[in-house]
This record gives sequence, structure tokens and C-alpha cells, in this order.
Amino acid sequence: DSGVTQTPKHLITATGQRVTLRCSPRSGDLSVYWYQQSLDQGLQFLIQYYNGEERAKGNILERFSAQQFPDLHSELNLSSLELGDSALYFCASSSTGGRQETQYFGPGTRLLVL
Amino acid sequence: EDQVTQSPEALRLQEGESSSLNCSYTVSGLRGLFWYRQDPGKGPEFLFTLYSAGEEKEKERLKATLTKKESFLHITAPKPEDSATYLCAVQARNYGQNFVFGPGTRLSVLP
Repeated sequence: DSGVTQTPKHLITATGQRVTLRCSPRSGDLSVYWYQQSLDQGLQFLIQYYNGEERAKGNILERFSAQQFPDLHSELNLSSLELGDSALYFCASSSTGGRQETQYFGPGTRLLVL
Repeated sequence: EDQVTQSPEALRLQEGESSSLNCSYTVSGLRGLFWYRQDPGKGPEFLFTLYSAGEEKEKERLKATLTKKESFLHITAPKPEDSATYLCAVQARNYGQNFVFGPGTRLSVLP
């Protein structure tokens, strides 16, 4: 158990809908990362937050957004969902989000868009 | 162009048959190379971090090594419970603090 929690574990929704994925980092970690993992793409970095502020953006679509709250939990919002958004979404956390820090991953949320 | 590749894509071993997995990278300014193990449908589980060429780390039947262009994950006398996908990730100057993951090697250890 990495100490990172994600809810829900599974999510089934329809195209065009909007969903919110939630992540609680390990105790004491200030930085949160979001990744998408699909069968054909592998693990793709989406976005990073540090202590409530956006720090880096990766391959995140404009339909997707995220935020980190004062209690350090983070939410990833996915809107206007398409079939291709079906994937595993992972959250990871690290202590300060700095260089050479290990990222610890949560169990993931499996999203299925029908 | 920065790139992280892993080989082989899949590997099938008999229990006790040692082998190595490869992670090759071409990035500017490597800051760290990380190995993770991922079981189907689960989050990646941290194994090792390597920071500089020549560094080695060991844990049970696993040993990770790093050169200037690649890293190897050596698996000695594997057991069926070592079956998983092994991912390497690099943190490099061009990516800031972010990880770039390789595609993984899917390892199956048969009893």
C-alpha cells in the first residue's frame, strides 16, 4: 500500500458526460501528479500540482482540468467525454515535487466511456 | 529527440531462469532513472531509483544497474510471483520534475 488513495475505483459513463476523479496524497506529500494509462499509449503524464499550485503540464487535453485543494487532495475533471478517454487514471504523490524524488502511485481509477 | 524504450516487449521465463530487462534512454541531462513494477489493473509499485552511471541497487531477486545510455533490471532465479510488467521512467532536465515512462516489459515466470 503506497498510502495514496483514489476514488472511485471504477467509473462507467456515457459519451459527452463529465466526471471527477479524486486523489488523496500520502501523508506529508505536497505534490500530486496525474497520469493516464491506456492500452496503446502506456503511462502518459497529464499534470502536476504542488501545494495547491499548478507546476507542470503534460499531454492534458483542454477538456480535462485539475486542481489541488488546501488539504492537498486533488481532483481531475474530465468533460465532454469520448470513447477514447476510456483508460486507467493514476494519481501519484511525492514529498516536494522536486528533482530526483520518487513518485508513489495510487491504485487508479478505471474509466469506461460507453 | 528524447526517448525511453524498453526491451524486450514481453519475456517468458521458467522459474529459476535468470534474465535481464533493458531500458534505453536518450535524454538531455538525466536526473534520475526509476524502476517500477505494475500488476494488471493496479498502480505502479516503486522498486529502485538510480542517479548516476555505475550505480547499482538490489532488492531480493532484483538488481538494477545504470550506464550513461541504459539501465538493466537483472532478475535472478525468478519465481512466479515476479510476473508483472516492469516499467522504467526517467526524470530529465527537459521534463522538469516530471517522469517519462517507457512502454514496459511484460514478464511471465512459469512454474
